[in-house]
Amino acid sequence: DGGITQSPKYLFRKEGQNVTLSCEQNLNHDAMYWYRQDPGQGLRLIYYSQIVNDFQKGDIAEGYSVSREKKESFPLTVTSAQKNPTAFYLCASSTPFWTGGGKSSTDTQYFGPGTRLTVL
Amino acid sequence: SQQGEEDPQALSIQEGENATMNCSYKTSINNLQWYRQNSGRGLVHLILIRSNEREKHSGRLRVTLDTSKKSSSLLITASRAADTASYFCATAFSGSARQLTFGSGTQLTVLP
Repeated sequence: DGGITQSPKYLFRKEGQNVTLSCEQNLNHDAMYWYRQDPGQGLRLIYYSQIVNDFQKGDIAEGYSVSREKKESFPLTVTSAQKNPTAFYLCASSTPFWTGGGKSSTDTQYFGPGTRLTVL
Repeated sequence: SQQGEEDPQALSIQEGENATMNCSYKTSINNLQWYRQNSGRGLVHLILIRSNEREKHSGRLRVTLDTSKKSSSLLITASRAADTASYFCATAFSGSARQLTFGSGTQLTVLP
């Protein structure tokens, strides 16, 4: 988990509330990602950002919003439009795509410890 | 739908035995990666194999890739109780290498 922090670890939301999950990294990574994981399932991509001030929808973006005002930070807001938000949320970042010498780097992703969101 | 699908969904073995997990995918890939997740934690990268590689080793881990069959396997040798975790394969599509698509995982339990 080193280098990427997520807060809070546990979050409870009432029906109709928006909540924001924090993700911060000090790895100097360009790209950041938000995933949702349901029990016994794999990860599904919500949003990703390859550079500051730019982000793209993933497979399940409806009911979520993000911003990328700083390289280090990629907060995720779960809006009241998300009908079933109870899940485990994981943030990740990846190494710069182009390393020195013009060669592409790996797409290894480094994950935070996750936030477990429960709707009351 | 998810690109990679792991098999088996769950695997239980005795300490010291080898554990083999398989991953199948559907389209051309740039690379395939394996990650480990302890219960309630984030994922940890284990190993990456590129589409032009057939086998890779890292410690007790051995990964193979067969692009003709669109499949990969992860072998953990001499397993330990501490290897108990979920293991996920993730594929990076050709032409969209910045994104990964994860499978649903194999839950490995190593009994002491």
